[in-house]
Amino acid sequence: QAGLTQPPSVSEGLRRTATLSCTGISNIVGDQGALWLQQHPGRPPKLLSYRNNNRPSGISERFSASTSGNTASLTITGLQPEDEADYYCSAWDSSLTAWVFGGGTKLTVL
Amino acid sequence: QVHLQQWGAGLLKTSETLSLTCAVYGRSFSSYYWSWLRQPPGKGLEWIGEINHSGNTNYNPSLKSRVSISIDTSKNQFSLIMTSVTAADTAVYFCAQLTGGLWGQGDLVTVSS
Repeated sequence: QAGLTQPPSVSEGLRRTATLSCTGISNIVGDQGALWLQQHPGRPPKLLSYRNNNRPSGISERFSASTSGNTASLTITGLQPEDEADYYCSAWDSSLTAWVFGGGTKLTVL
Repeated sequence: QVHLQQWGAGLLKTSETLSLTCAVYGRSFSSYYWSWLRQPPGKGLEWIGEINHSGNTNYNPSLKSRVSISIDTSKNQFSLIMTSVTAADTAVYFCAQLTGGLWGQGDLVTVSS
C-alpha cells in the first residue's frame, strides 16, 4: 500500500520555527496538498489544515501548510510548549480509494 | 454543538467480532464521509474505512476482507464491524469526519487470547 513518509522526530527551540515534512504526496494527490493533524497524548487528533492551508476555525495562524513537488510541509512559527505533540499527515489516494497516513512526527519543543 | 460519541465492547477474545457505533450530534450526515480509524498503543494512526449518507463505502485494502461499515441515517449513527480479531487489532478506535475535524473520544479495544 502506498504511504507517506514523515521523520519520526523533530526538535526545535522555544519561540523558534519548526517545519515538518511529509513526502510521497505528489504520487497521491498532486497539488491538492495534505491533511495535517496534531495529537497530544491520550487525546483524539485535532485537524490543523486541509488542502493547502485551509485552517479550521480556532486554529492559530502560527500553523501553515504548503506543498512543493513531492513534499507537503507544516510550518509552526513561534513555538510554544503546548505545540509539543505528535503530528500526522494524510492524503486521499484516488487509486486506492483510501486515506493514507504518514507514520507521524514527534515534535519536541526545547 | 457538533460532536461524535462512540461506544462498543472494549475486551474481546481472539477470533471474536469487534463492534463499535458512533453517534453524530449537531450535524447532518449528508455531504460528508464518516470514517473509522485506529491507533495501536504507542503507534501511529491507521484509517480503516468510511461511509457516506447514501451508504457508499471505501475501505483500507489491508483490512477490507474483515471490515464492514454501515449507517443508520434515522439515528444519525454509523457502525464498524471487524471480524476474526487478533491481538494485532488491539488499538484505540476512533470515529471521525476527517476533513471537518470531528473526532470521537476514542475507545480502547483489547483483544486477548
